[in-house]
Amino acid sequence: KQEVTQIPAALSVPEGENLVLNCSFTDSAIYNLQWFRQDPGKGLTSLLLIQSSQREQTSGRLNASLDKSSGRSTLYIAASQPGDSATYLCAVPNTGNQFYFGTGTSLTVIP
Amino acid sequence: AAGVIQSPRHLIKEKRETATLKCYPIPRHDTVYWYQQGPGQDPQFLISFYEKMQSDKGSIPDRFSAQQFSDYHSELNMSSLELGDSALYFCASSMDRGYGYTFGSGTRLTVV
Repeated sequence: KQEVTQIPAALSVPEGENLVLNCSFTDSAIYNLQWFRQDPGKGLTSLLLIQSSQREQTSGRLNASLDKSSGRSTLYIAASQPGDSATYLCAVPNTGNQFYFGTGTSLTVIP
Repeated sequence: AAGVIQSPRHLIKEKRETATLKCYPIPRHDTVYWYQQGPGQDPQFLISFYEKMQSDKGSIPDRFSAQQFSDYHSELNMSSLELGDSALYFCASSMDRGYGYTFGSGTRLTVV
């Protein structure tokens, strides 16, 4: 069974800092990896989808990288803002496209 | 752009009652997934459907059942509700393997 781990579990940074969230997975035979954002009590918003053939994807201040062979992905957030405060989840699918979610990183950006 | 629509947004039920959650996927998405997220937990996969057939099954209790209809919407039926069923229930849809998920806003079920 795929196991997904995210480090750190919680992160608090002052506004304007660049930060990196880490995701590791045990089974490298993945089709893709997806990063989500979740605000408290709310739904999951897709941030970036990286196909297994890609090494990174960028969207605005977000950049996600994927190293499939080592089972790792990172989400880089540049110039963090208070509005970035949320829980960030990475997820990888199994062969049936069922996603396994990481435990999440709770980010707080302090104004 | 159209998103995944879930209804109702909130639902309060008593123990042993039944509940039905609905999910309307993005048009042309052929796969629907149901997830349960308890307080402080990551989403747990319940069940998925591809082209109206059950395609994968996760940790769905026997008290729960689901189906996907001819218009591709899906319903999750939950019977003999227990306090521990209180959670956020998410539906997601995808077009094909490798295209990633789009999630709905979820249904918050509270069992009292």
